[in-house]
Amino acid sequence: SQQGEEDPQALSIQEGENATMNCSYKTSINNLQWYRQNSGRGLVHLILIRSNEREKHSGRLRVTLDTSKKSSSLLITASRAADTASYFCATAATSGTYKYIFGTGTRLKVLA
Amino acid sequence: SQTIHQWPATLVQPVGSPLSLECTVEGTSNPNLYWYRQAAGRGLQLLFYSVGIGQISSEVPQNLSASRPQDRQFILSSKKLLLSDSGFYLCAWSRDRAGEQYFGPGTRLTVT
Repeated sequence: SQQGEEDPQALSIQEGENATMNCSYKTSINNLQWYRQNSGRGLVHLILIRSNEREKHSGRLRVTLDTSKKSSSLLITASRAADTASYFCATAATSGTYKYIFGTGTRLKVLA
Repeated sequence: SQTIHQWPATLVQPVGSPLSLECTVEGTSNPNLYWYRQAAGRGLQLLFYSVGIGQISSEVPQNLSASRPQDRQFILSSKKLLLSDSGFYLCAWSRDRAGEQYFGPGTRLTVT
């Protein structure tokens, strides 16, 4: 089963509102990453947060990481219709593996 | 700059036919390479990864195989396709272990 689980599975908001999605994982991690996928396309890397970081910003994106709760959140502020996509978290374990474990994704729809 | 190519973009194949999907990366050397499969509306399942020429790690499938004949070329194959092989196949590369991944545009495979 997937290690990462995002919630909600789907989210619909109005343009200009903030969107928050959450990710939970199960094992110790080196870092956690967030990706965006437009329908029928490849994934695009958004942001990487290391296990010793608690918060990171990139433009309208804010990511938090709580390793004690094994969870992360992605906040998109002032959303736009172009933000409509699926968002996935991915974890890279500390064990030396080259594997990434992807979550099941949150489908975000931003209404104009 | 780096570019990742995948082809074909779409493929419809009958059950029992062979498969060959190709992925190439430009603009970097010795990348870590990955094949993922994504079922409709789901997250990514890691199939294979490779850290060097001829080095392949298999995560899941019995019906699929992968090869890396050149540093920046990664091939996904099957001798006989099953209906369950249908899905969206994504190739990705990373520079570092646990670093950002860069995805190709994907191949939509339908097995009929």
